[in-house]
Amino acid sequence: EVQLVDSGGGLVQPGGSLRLSCAASGFMFDYFWMSWVRQVPGKGLEWVGNIKPDGSETHYADSVKGRFTISRDNAKNSLFLHMSSLRAEDTAVYYCTRDWSLLNHDFWGQGTLVTVSS
Amino acid sequence: DIQLTQSPSFLSAYVGDRVTITCRASQAIRSYLAWYQQKPGKAPKLLIYSASTLQSGVPSRFSGSGSGTEFTLTISSLQSEDFATYYCQQLNSYPYTFGQGTKVDIK
Repeated sequence: EVQLVDSGGGLVQPGGSLRLSCAASGFMFDYFWMSWVRQVPGKGLEWVGNIKPDGSETHYADSVKGRFTISRDNAKNSLFLHMSSLRAEDTAVYYCTRDWSLLNHDFWGQGTLVTVSS
Repeated sequence: DIQLTQSPSFLSAYVGDRVTITCRASQAIRSYLAWYQQKPGKAPKLLIYSASTLQSGVPSRFSGSGSGTEFTLTISSLQSEDFATYYCQQLNSYPYTFGQGTKVDIK
């Protein structure tokens, strides 16, 4: 059974940093692109970025480019989102997703809430 | 960036109704469009990808069509468990983008 478990969210001050993690199981993690998608509470979905199976290529939304970095550890079946220079508008639930053939996000984590506030 | 506009943003319907949601792209995206369903407090669930391919396990009352810039999601006979918010997403080019969502409510 495919499982994605998101963790690492919490309260952080504006300008601060945070690292989110996603533990994957039930599939060949190193075969799949992975993404992060976020959602401001009560609002719509926003794709944050993705990473190639071998970690050699990443893509980001303009809103996070230069501040967020996606990485992965295939030996530990783990995906990460390193967030820095955080702003109030980064407050959201962050989901990791498995990407199937770059055609969809077929499995999602349960989400982890990041709150940026002083 | 490619903008996706869903219509309507809100829809009220009865159980058993046929429901259609439209997603229009600001430029052609071939068939690189997916549809998701989200219920309150839950992660989104994939329904359809490549505009018209039904994800495994999704009931056949859901269908998708379209290519280029105009797409539709149809629920042939709305069930109580279908009341949720629906999002389209383009995966034709980076950055991937979502529509603003369509909330389907009980009439």
